[in-house]
Amino acid sequence: QVQLVQSGAELKKPGASVKVSCQASGYTFRNFAMHWVRQAPGQGLEWLGWTNPAIGDATYSQAFQGRVTFSSDTSANIVSMELRSLESDDTAVYYCTRDAKVVGSPENYFDPWGQGTLVTVSS
Amino acid sequence: DIQLTQSPSSLSASVGDRVTITCRASQNIDTYLNWYQQRPGKAPSLLIYAASNLQNGAPSRFSGGGSGTHFTLTITDLQPEDFASYYCQQSYIIRTFGQGTKVEVK
Repeated sequence: QVQLVQSGAELKKPGASVKVSCQASGYTFRNFAMHWVRQAPGQGLEWLGWTNPAIGDATYSQAFQGRVTFSSDTSANIVSMELRSLESDDTAVYYCTRDAKVVGSPENYFDPWGQGTLVTVSS
Repeated sequence: DIQLTQSPSSLSASVGDRVTITCRASQNIDTYLNWYQQRPGKAPSLLIYAASNLQNGAPSRFSGGGSGTHFTLTITDLQPEDFASYYCQQSYIIRTFGQGTKVEVK
């Protein structure tokens, strides 16, 4: 079945960087874009951006532009998200999720989701 | 950016109730609107896609409607496992989420 498995929890100091990985299985990796979404404790969902593993390009939310980079390893079916200059407000669970298309229609949706990676930023 | 406004932010209900959550978009998004359920400590999961299509495996008590700027998620005959948070999300221009609606036990 289609599955996304993320790397483990991270504890970082303010000003540091973090890299979270997401390994895909059960489908043709290059055929689907991958998005990143985060959720601060007790808060809602926030979209960070997406990457197209087939060509390696990415689109980032303006809120994270310049501070986040997505990358892909098509040989291992892994996408990664690196967030730099961490602050305490970046403490959140980070999710990868596949961009799926409605068959015969232009609409897209997120399915499935990774299990989430908790990133804690604390001195 | 397209803003999505959900209402209410939270609601209290009982098993067997009918519940409706509303999502309003700041501009026309046709039917580029999805709904997700998130249980505590879990990743979100897709419930409804393209405004009104039930995801495979989702219970038929969930239904979605609307187009343009006004959308609804309705749960009929609320079950214990439905007490969770629900998010709308648009895919018309990049991606954004509503702020969420928490369905709590009355």
